[in-house]
Amino acid sequence: DAGVTQSPTHLIKTRGQQVTLRCSPKSGHDTVSWYQQALGQGPQFIFQYYEEEERQRGNFPDRFSGHQFPNYSSELNVNALLLGDSALYLCASSLGFAGLRHQPQHFGDGTRLSIL
Amino acid sequence: GNSVTQMEGPVTLSEEAFLTINCTYTATGYPSLFWYVQYPGEGLQLLLKATKADDKGSNKGFEATYRKETTSFHLEKGSVQVSDSAVYFCALVIQGAQKLVFGQGTRLTINP
Repeated sequence: DAGVTQSPTHLIKTRGQQVTLRCSPKSGHDTVSWYQQALGQGPQFIFQYYEEEERQRGNFPDRFSGHQFPNYSSELNVNALLLGDSALYLCASSLGFAGLRHQPQHFGDGTRLSIL
Repeated sequence: GNSVTQMEGPVTLSEEAFLTINCTYTATGYPSLFWYVQYPGEGLQLLLKATKADDKGSNKGFEATYRKETTSFHLEKGSVQVSDSAVYFCALVIQGAQKLVFGQGTRLTINP
C-alpha cells in the first residue's frame, strides 16, 4: 500500500524563478493538503484540494497556487520565488471532506526547496 | 485565533529516562488534538490523537491525555529509547476544519 509520495526530493532555485512540486496521495485518499515547514518551525497550512477545487487556504500570497488532477494527485506552484520561500514543503492526504477529527492526514517525506 | 504552544527544546535525556513534553492550546470550539513525530529526513507520522476531553491517546509507549480544564495535551513516556530521538509536534484541528495547526516542535535526543 503506497503512502504519500512527493517529487522531487530536493530542489535548488534562484530568486524570481518559478517552481512546481508534485504529490501523489496515499492509495484510497482523495483530499490533498500542502504545508510549508521553515527550518526549526512547525508546518504551516498553505491550502487544500478536494474534487479538483481549492477548498481552504491559509495565510499565503497568491504566488502560491495549486492544482488537483482527476487521479487525486496534486501540484504546488510557487511564482516569483523569494529567499523566504526556502523550506520543506509537505504534502498530506486524507479521505473525504468531513473534517480531520477522525480522518488524520498522512504525510509524505517532503520536498526540500532552497532559494539562492 | 487557534494556536499551539510546546515546551522549548531541545530536550536531551538518557536512555530509560521518563519523558514529558508539554503542550498547551488555544482554540475556539472543541478541537481534536494530535502528536506527530518527525524522524530525520522524513515527513510527519501520526503518533497519537484524542478527540474529546479526558480521552487518552496512546501508541508505542507514548501517552497524552486531553485536559480541557488546563487546555493541555502533554506527551509522556515512561522509559525512552535511543530510537525515540526525533522532533515531536503537537497539533490541533477545529471541528469541521480541514487544516492542522501545529506547535513549533520539540527536538528530543536520547543518549545511550
